[in-house]
Amino acid sequence: DTGVSQDPRHKITKRGQNVTFRCDPISEHNRLYWYRQTLGQGPEFLTYFQNEAQLEKSRLLSDRFSAERPKGSFSTLEIQRTEQGDSAMYLCASSGRTSGRFWNNEQFFGPGTRLTVL
Amino acid sequence: AQSVTQPDIHITVSEGASLELRCNYSYGATPYLFWYVQSPGQGLQLLLKYFSGDTLVQGIKGFEAEFKRSQSSFSLRKPSVHWSDAAEYFCAVGQNQAGTALIFGKGTTLSVSS
Repeated sequence: DTGVSQDPRHKITKRGQNVTFRCDPISEHNRLYWYRQTLGQGPEFLTYFQNEAQLEKSRLLSDRFSAERPKGSFSTLEIQRTEQGDSAMYLCASSGRTSGRFWNNEQFFGPGTRLTVL
Repeated sequence: AQSVTQPDIHITVSEGASLELRCNYSYGATPYLFWYVQSPGQGLQLLLKYFSGDTLVQGIKGFEAEFKRSQSSFSLRKPSVHWSDAAEYFCAVGQNQAGTALIFGKGTTLSVSS
């Protein structure tokens, strides 16, 4: 397995347009997370899936944001009516069982999608 | 409130010199602590983690970290820095409960001078 992958790596869009990002987690991981990272800041949590269920959403995830994980594998994050303040790096991470039967919260991150809203 | 503080925004170290990056946390539950490194334009790579046990943990690339519960600190160290270590370093705290979000500090940018 080659790790978490994200597509596209870069996206430039005009204000008001919709954009969609994709994340493919590590295949055996059933937990998937989205984070947003703005310049000079650490990543901030957006939302989390266990299998196909979206179990937690941050207050950062406004109504213009929607995330799905329809079959419990890849996930998409859509931003509608983009604003300049949405410009950021969007990071996806996954976690799952490590050794034996124990789960832990070690999260493996993808390379991110850098969004620029003009 | 749960938070992570990395007091140093930017550090410059000479190649071959030792490095220490500071991290302090405020967390209500038993903390599980991580250090990640991020190169420009890249995602985060896990350097090391502390879940329990020995308070000195070893990681990849010659890094180690020491957990001090009494000081709520988790400092990252490396005895001899290489030019390739120049990057941004993030400390993070979470619970060892699958599905909980990690809380990150704002990061420390490391520059290495020759």
